[in-house]
Amino acid sequence: QKEVEQNSGPLSVPEGAIASLNCTYSDRGSQSFFWYRQYSGKSPELIMSIYSNGDKEDGRFTAQLNKASQYVSLLIRDSQPSDSATYLCAVTANAGKSTFGDGTTLTVKP
Amino acid sequence: KAGVTQTPRYLIKTRGQQVTLSCSPISGHRSVSWYQQTPGQGLQFLFEYFSETQRNKGNFPGRFSGRQFSNSRSEMNVSTLELGDSALYLCASSLEVGSLYGYTFGSGTRLTVV
Repeated sequence: QKEVEQNSGPLSVPEGAIASLNCTYSDRGSQSFFWYRQYSGKSPELIMSIYSNGDKEDGRFTAQLNKASQYVSLLIRDSQPSDSATYLCAVTANAGKSTFGDGTTLTVKP
Repeated sequence: KAGVTQTPRYLIKTRGQQVTLSCSPISGHRSVSWYQQTPGQGLQFLFEYFSETQRNKGNFPGRFSGRQFSNSRSEMNVSTLELGDSALYLCASSLEVGSLYGYTFGSGTRLTVV
């Protein structure tokens, strides 16, 4: 079992729809949870961080964390073609390093 | 505020050679982590340096090594290059040891081993 698993893509949604990206992790000692966005040919960029159970909203992005279920998600409302990218879930446990999922590629069609 | 600077951007090396990559973190950030990114394996953690000391290490062979200088700049070295070392090498800067608050990544060094 991988330490961090993301729902397999690619994911395609029409412009204006909600995109839902999911991630599960195996280490119950995990403390910090992140979503990074990586455009093709570019490096990852941190877009959301969440540390406690519940929802965290930032503009069109909402991160959700459920530690009991070891589950993290990212919702993108009113998806735009510029949101087309690979989204990486990352989890940090006590050891300090971040472990990344393989990523989910999102395509938003105009 | 300058971002994370990695040099060089591209490298082509021959199997058996060695290579050194450089990373300058964001000013004030004391931790530098290195990741290898390949299409098949995704982002794999190499090691983390904080205050010139290696604090974490991933599951890579000893051919992969690194160091950090007193100004927080870091280098990683790969000796006896293999074809499978071809990858994007990313440097990640963070304020403190570990990545509790997330990383800022550099643009990466694209290494091709022929």
